[in-house]
Amino acid sequence: DQQVKQNSPSLSVQEGRISILNCDYTNSMFDYFLWYKKYPAEGPTFLISISSIKDKNEDGRFTVFLNKSAKHLSLHIVPSQPGDSAVYFCAASEQYSGGGADGLTFGKGTHLIIQP
Amino acid sequence: EPEVTQTPSHQVTQMGQEVILRCVPISNHLYFYWYRQILGQKVEFLVSFYNNEISEKSEIFDDQFSVERPDGSNFTLKIRSTKLEDSAMYFCASTLQTTGNEQFFGPGTRLTVL
Repeated sequence: DQQVKQNSPSLSVQEGRISILNCDYTNSMFDYFLWYKKYPAEGPTFLISISSIKDKNEDGRFTVFLNKSAKHLSLHIVPSQPGDSAVYFCAASEQYSGGGADGLTFGKGTHLIIQP
Repeated sequence: EPEVTQTPSHQVTQMGQEVILRCVPISNHLYFYWYRQILGQKVEFLVSFYNNEISEKSEIFDDQFSVERPDGSNFTLKIRSTKLEDSAMYFCASTLQTTGNEQFFGPGTRLTVL
């Protein structure tokens, strides 16, 4: 049961161009979304997040867009740099109104390759 | 910059043995987590911990697993009787969770069960 789907296992982009990574979700209770970057033999590194009350969040070269009606989010990286080559994971969580610590539900990841 | 640390980086054990994986979360964080990633698969949530008790756990986190915060800094995951299918990368994470749920991950412990 894939509640968070990243349908592209890999993506190749030329250096300097825009990288667009996509993510779809099925659980309508998700209302907080995050992108993580992962290098081999390291833990996931937090990149950027967005709450469901927003449709866009920007941080430097990274922008996340959320389309709640389509249950779709995307990560844009502009301009793409060689150091951006990594696996990118989309993750989601539910607000836990009773307080507490929500586990993140991850997608399978997209391997982004930036070509010089 | 503060970070989550994990020890050991690699643990090899025999099937049926007990293992303890250790984590030191970021010092002012309040919520702690364990995740695992079986080779080639996605990162999966195991358990969350807050105020010295389990807050949420997944179906994977059965009776052979337990977590503990034995002192003010360490957070441990114990697997009582390891199985071959427990072989995976285990990640610890922590968060303040005051404005969102940005969880910060450690580098992981690779567990190999023979």
